[in-house]
Amino acid sequence: AQTVTQSQPEMSVQEAETVTLSCTYDTSENNYYLFWYKQPPSRQMILVIRQEAYKQQNATENRFSVNFQKAAKSFSLKISDSQLGDTAMYFCAWYGGATNKLIFGTGTLLAVQP
Amino acid sequence: EPEVTQTPSHQVTQMGQEVILRCVPISNHLYFYWYRQILGQKVEFLVSFYNNEISEKSEIFDDQFSVERPDGSNFTLKIRSTKLEDSAMYFCASSEYVGATNEQFFGPGTRLTVL
Repeated sequence: AQTVTQSQPEMSVQEAETVTLSCTYDTSENNYYLFWYKQPPSRQMILVIRQEAYKQQNATENRFSVNFQKAAKSFSLKISDSQLGDTAMYFCAWYGGATNKLIFGTGTLLAVQP
Repeated sequence: EPEVTQTPSHQVTQMGQEVILRCVPISNHLYFYWYRQILGQKVEFLVSFYNNEISEKSEIFDDQFSVERPDGSNFTLKIRSTKLEDSAMYFCASSEYVGATNEQFFGPGTRLTVL
């Protein structure tokens, strides 16, 4: 069975600084996808970034980028130039195999301090 | 921009009562999902639905749960006899196709409190 682990329950960063959120996963599948979702206080889950496992190049979306290490089964999220609006819970998620479901980690609560 | 909507935002019920949580997926989406998040815990998959039938369900989704698409727009989750441990945030999601290239769009959630 697939598992997703986020070992940082809470993190804090100063506005305009860079922060990295960690995620590791376990799977025996070769084809899968990894995601970072953001859940702000409004509770709506918003997709931040997606990575296809077969792509070696790390995904980037504006200030958000990932460091995908397939052999190490590691998928970290880097947020550059942190903004107050980045304050949220961040979930790492796995998708693949014969299933249609997303498998989530326990989340990291990120607080951006002014 | 189209979005998934859910009603009510908060539902309080007594243990043993039936509740129906409602969702309106994005109109051209064909796949629908329910997830739940017990306070302080991770988001867990409950069920996926396609072509008017369940395509996948988790071990959480027992006989107390059912889903339905009663018309062309709504997607509902019914809990027949609620338990205290059903208290959670319930998220509906939809996607146009299956496959990870097709994003699952989430609604804002319904907070269910069972007393």
